[in-house]
Amino acid sequence: DAGVIQSPRHEVTEMGQEVTLRCKPISGHNSLFWYRQTMMRGLELLIYFNNNVPIDDSGMPEDRFSAKMPNASFSTLKIQPSEPRDSAVYFCASSRELAPSTDTQYFGPGTRLTVL
Amino acid sequence: SQELEQSPQSLIVQEGKNLTINCTSSKTLYGLYWYKQKYGEGLIFLMMLQKGGEEKSHEKITAKLDEKKQQSSLHITASQPSHAGIYLCGAALGRTGGFKTIFGAGTRLFVKA
Repeated sequence: DAGVIQSPRHEVTEMGQEVTLRCKPISGHNSLFWYRQTMMRGLELLIYFNNNVPIDDSGMPEDRFSAKMPNASFSTLKIQPSEPRDSAVYFCASSRELAPSTDTQYFGPGTRLTVL
Repeated sequence: SQELEQSPQSLIVQEGKNLTINCTSSKTLYGLYWYKQKYGEGLIFLMMLQKGGEEKSHEKITAKLDEKKQQSSLHITASQPSHAGIYLCGAALGRTGGFKTIFGAGTRLFVKA
């Protein structure tokens, strides 16, 4: 079975440019999570969806960040405009159900974003 | 996350030695996960613990959740170079936390051959 798929794997862009990260969850999973990982702050939850509906976006750092899930097999995380402090590894994860106490989140390989 | 404390931050052990990593919270946890992350790669699920006192093993890795569901330990027996990486504990805060999952800062394990 294919795991969570993320693209691109690496992205280098200049400050001010728009960046779009993509994620395809595991088929049949109803919940999708976006995380950001940095050395300073560790792994942080940005936003999560259940059945394509955003449930909690309180982790999104600013209005420059937005996420969508137009269907069960695709989600995007967009940063516009990007800034150097956005440089990080962005992970997407999916699980069968939303209740994490009973289900496991499976992580994608991540997108390493560098903003110059 | 400061809500989930991991110790030690890093660990260097000689191949063949046993080691323990701890994960502690001041709150009751609804589901405790252990993940392993190889440097520069994604997270690999190891184990999930739900019940107080629960213990699970996979190959040479054993994880326990205490009775109060506030602390978990990960024990590796006879460590090997393949065990090297970053070990992260994650936990669900339950309904009051809006089903959010938080993660510890990670423990960096180095195994000397």
